[in-house]
Amino acid sequence: EAGVAQSPRYKIIEKRQSVAFWCNPISGHATLYWYQQILGQGPKLLIQFQNNGVVDDSQLPKDRFSAERLKGVDSTLKIQPAKLEDSAVYLCASSLEGRRIYFGEGSWLTVV
Amino acid sequence: KQEVTQIPAALSVPEGENLVLNCSFTDSAIYNLQWFRQDPGKGLTSLLLIQSSQREQTSGRLNASLDKSSGRSTLYIAASQPGDSATYLCAVGFQKLVFGTGTRLLVSP
Repeated sequence: EAGVAQSPRYKIIEKRQSVAFWCNPISGHATLYWYQQILGQGPKLLIQFQNNGVVDDSQLPKDRFSAERLKGVDSTLKIQPAKLEDSAVYLCASSLEGRRIYFGEGSWLTVV
Repeated sequence: KQEVTQIPAALSVPEGENLVLNCSFTDSAIYNLQWFRQDPGKGLTSLLLIQSSQREQTSGRLNASLDKSSGRSTLYIAASQPGDSATYLCAVGFQKLVFGTGTRLLVSP
């Protein structure tokens, strides 16, 4: 069974530039999550989708972050404009409802 | 607001030792508790999931217990190996997981 796929794996951008991350969940998983993990901390949920609807985006900085999940499969997370404090690993995850959550390998962002 | 704490932050042991990692949470009204492993530069791998009605789960050399009344979970690793070296994270919640900051484990040959 293929896992959660993410790209790009690594990205370095200058502050105020924009960046987009892509995620393809495990086939059949209706729930998709984006987490942000700052170095030395545990992951923090940014947004949760159920199919193509948003379930929870309470911790998403909506002035600069946006996410979409068109057609209820792939998802894109965008940051515009980026700030230095956005340097982190962006982890995509998916699950069947109420079951174990599976994470991708993450997209590592450095903002300089 | 749920808060999750993991102690110790780092642990170094010689190969072969049995060890225990601790996780505590402030709100006992949890649905599930999961233990994850994170290798450097990698994502998270789910190790064990304990549902709120369960007391423990076992997988190979790993055993995780859950005591909701005291707000604690432990991850027991038997006969540790150098390949067990990683950061171990616990997380509580149903779908919106709240994570601890992890325990960084180093097992020396």
